[in-house]
Amino acid sequence: DADVTQTPRNRITKTGKRIMLECSQTKGHDRMYWYRQDPGLGLRLIYYSFDVKDINKGEISDGYSVSRQAQAKFSLSLESAIPNQTALYFCATSNRGHGQPQHFGDGTRLSIL
Amino acid sequence: TQLLEQSPQFLSIQEGENLTVYCNSSSVFSSLQWYRQEPGEGPVLLVTVVTGGEVKKLKRLTFQFGDARKDSSLHITAAQPGDTGLYLCAGSHDSWGKLQFGAGTQVVVTP
Repeated sequence: DADVTQTPRNRITKTGKRIMLECSQTKGHDRMYWYRQDPGLGLRLIYYSFDVKDINKGEISDGYSVSRQAQAKFSLSLESAIPNQTALYFCATSNRGHGQPQHFGDGTRLSIL
Repeated sequence: TQLLEQSPQFLSIQEGENLTVYCNSSSVFSSLQWYRQEPGEGPVLLVTVVTGGEVKKLKRLTFQFGDARKDSSLHITAAQPGDTGLYLCAGSHDSWGKLQFGAGTQVVVTP
């Protein structure tokens, strides 16, 4: 079983719909992150959480919200999806400390029509 | 936002050739990581460098962190088709673990 699991893997939806992407981890890490990946732009940080009670905005948080339901679960919501939110979304986890590696899920490919 | 620029964006070479990918910034990083990503998967860590001038080797891959901790390079010797993938560098400015990613270099190694 994957250490970091994202669901769904693929989603096609329409403009204006509410969408939730879910992430769960079995690594026991405190820190969790949501990124989006667009061609030519690399990975950009949407939100991050350093523990269950700590939620922080990343560089592109507008139009997104998150919920850290437990140490192992971190969900990303698009309250009213728009076409320019079409992208590949990744969840990642890491341990505390300097230079710790981030462990990524396999991504959710989201298309908004 | 501090930019982290990777070059080239795309690299296509024959099996057995060498290649180098560059990662440059105008700001100093406390640590820098290299990841490789394959289609349909998330990035996977290759190496972390933290000390200016540091060189790390991972089989045929050699990673270098610049003396001023503003740049890094990845060199692959005698590339193989299995080296094909998107190579991403990611830098951290602090001890909190947030990473800033470059746009990536797509490497294609043909037999």
